[in-house]
Amino acid sequence: DQQVKQNSPSLSVQEGRISILNCDYTNSMFDYFLWYKKYPAEGPTFLISISSIKDKNEDGRFTVFLNKSAKHLSLHIVPSQPGDSAVYFCAALIFGNEKLTFGTGTRLTIIP
Amino acid sequence: GAGVSQSPSNKVTEKGKDVELRCDPISGHTALYWYRQSLGQGLEFLIYFQGNSAPDKSGLPSDRFSAERTGGSVSTLTIQRTQQEDSAVYLCASSPQTGAGNTIYFGEGSWLTVV
Repeated sequence: DQQVKQNSPSLSVQEGRISILNCDYTNSMFDYFLWYKKYPAEGPTFLISISSIKDKNEDGRFTVFLNKSAKHLSLHIVPSQPGDSAVYFCAALIFGNEKLTFGTGTRLTIIP
Repeated sequence: GAGVSQSPSNKVTEKGKDVELRCDPISGHTALYWYRQSLGQGLEFLIYFQGNSAPDKSGLPSDRFSAERTGGSVSTLTIQRTQQEDSAVYLCASSPQTGAGNTIYFGEGSWLTVV
């Protein structure tokens, strides 16, 4: 049972445009959501997070939006840069439980 | 280096053999996690350590999998009688505290191939 889903395995975006990566979840108990970025042959690195009490969190070029009623979150990257090309994982957790539940990832390619 | 260190980086083993994967967390980090990523799948939680104890082993897929952590530092994940479905990247992560997913630091992973 995939509790966190990233339905787009890949996405290509022109440099300078907006990249939008989507994530859906099924477990309404999730309190906290995170996005990780992964380059080939490296471990995932934390990018941005959002608590379930918020609907938006912004950090520079990265903004995460949370729609709890739809159980949906998205990561916006604007403007997209070639260095943003990587696999992006959405993850969720329940406070008090140390287990992160990950989606299957979306491979983002920024076209120069 | 200052990051999470894993060894071996690559391991090819014959079906039925035992393997040990090692994780050296960031110095001072009390929490240690093991995840794995199979081809086409997301990261799958295996086990979590707080100090030397493992409060959550719920992700270990079978009794062929075990892990230990000694001295609150290095951890070893052991897979006995490996099967082809064990082929995956095994990722270790550490954190200076619990309850904050954004402070988890991942290693580069150990790529395991069972032939």
